[in-house]
Amino acid sequence: DAGVTQSPTHLIKTRGQQVTLRCSPKSGHDTVSWYQQALGQGPQFIFQYYEEEERQRGNFPDRFSGHQFPNYSSELNVNALLLGDSALYLCASSVTGGELFFGEGSRLTVL
Amino acid sequence: GIQVEQSPPDLILQEGANSTLRCNFSDSVNNLQWFHQNPWGQLINLFYIPSGTKQNGRLSATTVATERYSLLYISSSQTTDSGVYFCAYPKDMRFGAGTRLTVKP
Repeated sequence: DAGVTQSPTHLIKTRGQQVTLRCSPKSGHDTVSWYQQALGQGPQFIFQYYEEEERQRGNFPDRFSGHQFPNYSSELNVNALLLGDSALYLCASSVTGGELFFGEGSRLTVL
Repeated sequence: GIQVEQSPPDLILQEGANSTLRCNFSDSVNNLQWFHQNPWGQLINLFYIPSGTKQNGRLSATTVATERYSLLYISSSQTTDSGVYFCAYPKDMRFGAGTRLTVKP
């Protein structure tokens, strides 16, 4: 049984560019949540998707958007990248309200 | 939403020592998780513990939901226990700031 998978694992972008990160949830999970973790800090909640809709959102600007597909996989899009967007982006899957399981993360560097 | 506070922020131990990490919540919780973040950044599930006590080898966790705290116990610590430990309230998507544990040989 594959766990949560994320791609790409590392990527480098320049300011102003756009990035798309992908996440496949653990088998049987219907909910995907995205987190941003800056160096030395705890994960910060970006948003959560369930039944292809954004169900909850943290304190992130509209430059951060997402999507969930019918197979429950999800994408995180960030537009107009800033240097401060450099971070580890973590995807977690769960059944609604249940235990979170995380992928290995996508490390984004913005130059 | 619920606020999550972890203590201590940093902890340095000699190998073989025991430790207790604490997580406080601003309100009562009905589910809680403990994670260990490995050096590559992945969050490893330790415990999903809404209440009561669970044990897994040298690690155990206790949550007292009505008193709004949870404790993670590490016994006979090993150098491989080093890293950052997080508690989280999944329902609110809230994480604490973490406890950075360093175990010295």
